[in-house]
Amino acid sequence: AQSVTQPDIHITVSEGASLELRCNYSYGATPYLFWYVQSPGQGLQLLLKYFSGDTLVQGIKGFEAEFKRSQSSFNLRKPSVHWSDAAEYFCALLPITGGGNKLTFGTGTQLKVEL
Amino acid sequence: EPEVTQTPSHQVTQMGQEVILRCVPISNHLYFYWYRQILGQKVEFLVSFYNNEISEKSEIFDDQFSVERPDGSNFTLKIRSTKLEDSAMYFCASTWGTGELFFGEGSRLTVL
Repeated sequence: AQSVTQPDIHITVSEGASLELRCNYSYGATPYLFWYVQSPGQGLQLLLKYFSGDTLVQGIKGFEAEFKRSQSSFNLRKPSVHWSDAAEYFCALLPITGGGNKLTFGTGTQLKVEL
Repeated sequence: EPEVTQTPSHQVTQMGQEVILRCVPISNHLYFYWYRQILGQKVEFLVSFYNNEISEKSEIFDDQFSVERPDGSNFTLKIRSTKLEDSAMYFCASTWGTGELFFGEGSRLTVL
């Protein structure tokens, strides 16, 4: 069965600093990969997705993520964090074949931004 | 921009009561889902629905849960007899098959 690991439960960065949120996955092939953001009391907003092709994908709000097959990783990055980026971030995997059509989420990383 | 809408945004109920959570998926989507997030935990898959039937369900989705699409636009999740542990945020999602799921803002269920 597939799984997603987000090793950092909480991360605190200063406004203006760079950010990297880690995501590792376990799956027998290359899956579809997603990053979602959830602000307090809000729903899940898609930041970006990787289906195939270019391993560096750009998303909304200045975020990008890099797929590394050799490391089974899909880390999320932002060069300069804004206070409004404080939220919880979820990495998710969708199997291409054999795993049904359900997303498997990681446990999330709570981002705190210090002013 | 089309979006998935969910009602109610928050519902408080007594243990043992029936609850129905409603969702209006994006109109041309074909696949519909319910996910659950217990406070402080990760988002968990409950059930997927396609072509008017359940296509997959998790072990969480026991006989107390049911889904239906009664009129071609709404997609509902019913919990027949709520338990304390059903307290969670419930998310509806839909897609037309690309793999990209569009989520609603969630319905927070509090069982007392």
